[in-house]
Amino acid sequence: SQQGEEDPQALSIQEGENATMNCSYKTSINNLQWYRQNSGRGLVHLILIRSNEREKHSGRLRVTLDTSKKSSSLLITASRAADTASYFCATDFNAGGTSYGKLTFGQGTILTVHP
Amino acid sequence: DGGITQSPKYLFRKEGQNVTLSCEQNLNHDAMYWYRQDPGQGLRLIYYSQIVNDFQKGDIAEGYSVSREKKESFPLTVTSAQKNPTAFYLCASSGRGGPFFGQGTRLTVV
Repeated sequence: SQQGEEDPQALSIQEGENATMNCSYKTSINNLQWYRQNSGRGLVHLILIRSNEREKHSGRLRVTLDTSKKSSSLLITASRAADTASYFCATDFNAGGTSYGKLTFGQGTILTVHP
Repeated sequence: DGGITQSPKYLFRKEGQNVTLSCEQNLNHDAMYWYRQDPGQGLRLIYYSQIVNDFQKGDIAEGYSVSREKKESFPLTVTSAQKNPTAFYLCASSGRGGPFFGQGTRLTVV
């Protein structure tokens, strides 16, 4: 399967530090998305990067995509205690190129930001 | 207020019983999805529907059934054939963007 793999599985940092999470996948994709999940809650969409894009920013988030290495990274700058959550990457490889919901998820990175 | 509503938030089921999880969206999205999440794991796709009256199996459809009679609704039935149903179930929908997720239903077999 094309399951994404995330690294590290857990990350513990102090407030104000940057957090970097990595995601690798196996086959060609249409796009890659990052989600956040607070404990026991639904997923919140953070950012989508298309296969023809290399970098995207949203507030304190920066996502990069390297299709030659089949990898992506999520950087959260100046982290806050409220950023504590699980972060998932998800890939869309639908052949039609229009379905954004039939995703394959990684196992996630658990980020803990200490105040 | 637009969004995806899942109900109930918590559900308990006795072994051997079928149970139905509700998912409603008012985002006018054509596509809807059901995912399952086990502790410490990512999400796995159970079923998806890209249009009314049509749906497709995902990666782990065995022991589950769905219907899509209305655009707004995509209920999931967990049947007695599902051997390990205790999990967190997430519904999602997508249109030109997304998908956007509901808050989930936590199902426990007692």
